[in-house]
Amino acid sequence: GESVGLHLPTLSVQEGDNSIINCAYSNSASDYFIWYKQESGKGPQFIIDIRSNMDKRQGQRVTVLLNKTVKHLSLQIAATQPGDSAVYFCAENESGRGGADGLTFGKGTHLIIQP
Amino acid sequence: DSGVTQTPKHLITATGQRVTLRCSPRSGDLSVYWYQQSLDQGLQFLIQYYNGEERAKGNILERFSAQQFPDLHSELNLSSLELGDSALYFCASSPRLGGSTDTQYFGPGTRLTVL
Repeated sequence: GESVGLHLPTLSVQEGDNSIINCAYSNSASDYFIWYKQESGKGPQFIIDIRSNMDKRQGQRVTVLLNKTVKHLSLQIAATQPGDSAVYFCAENESGRGGADGLTFGKGTHLIIQP
Repeated sequence: DSGVTQTPKHLITATGQRVTLRCSPRSGDLSVYWYQQSLDQGLQFLIQYYNGEERAKGNILERFSAQQFPDLHSELNLSSLELGDSALYFCASSPRLGGSTDTQYFGPGTRLTVL
């Protein structure tokens, strides 16, 4: 079946640097993409989303980029802080499935912040 | 805090037993989703309910079932438990039917251990 996957299982960055987490998806019909952050012992926390009619969306310290041509999604975190340490998941959905459906998640990238 | 609550937080049981996990969605949300997170399978969508009715099924085993009650809380029933059912079970909710117009917010999860 179709799936969403991440390029790197672990990413280590220095505190204060920018982080870039990548995600490849395979379902060309996907039109909604979300980034979630999961801290140890907690549920996934919504960070930012983007729809397929956009290629960039910015939030507070985060930016999501979508390249539909190569089916690639990235999450940029500016000025990474210790509290950003977590596993980051990309997820996708396809509104053509009648709106009702669950998200398809990637395997996750563990972001480690070095002091 | 996402506003989604799940009980219990931890559950330890034996093979062959049956357990019930409970979820209360965010106030006003009509859709409830159940996900399973395991080390080998990652985060997988199980089932969705919308306003009391089943709307979508994912990788849910026949031994598992769910329902959504008139007050919109949901229960996930897992029966004839096997060792491989040990996992984190998350509930998520969204205001409407889902898809690209609806952000899913996750609860803190229930950690199920089958011995």
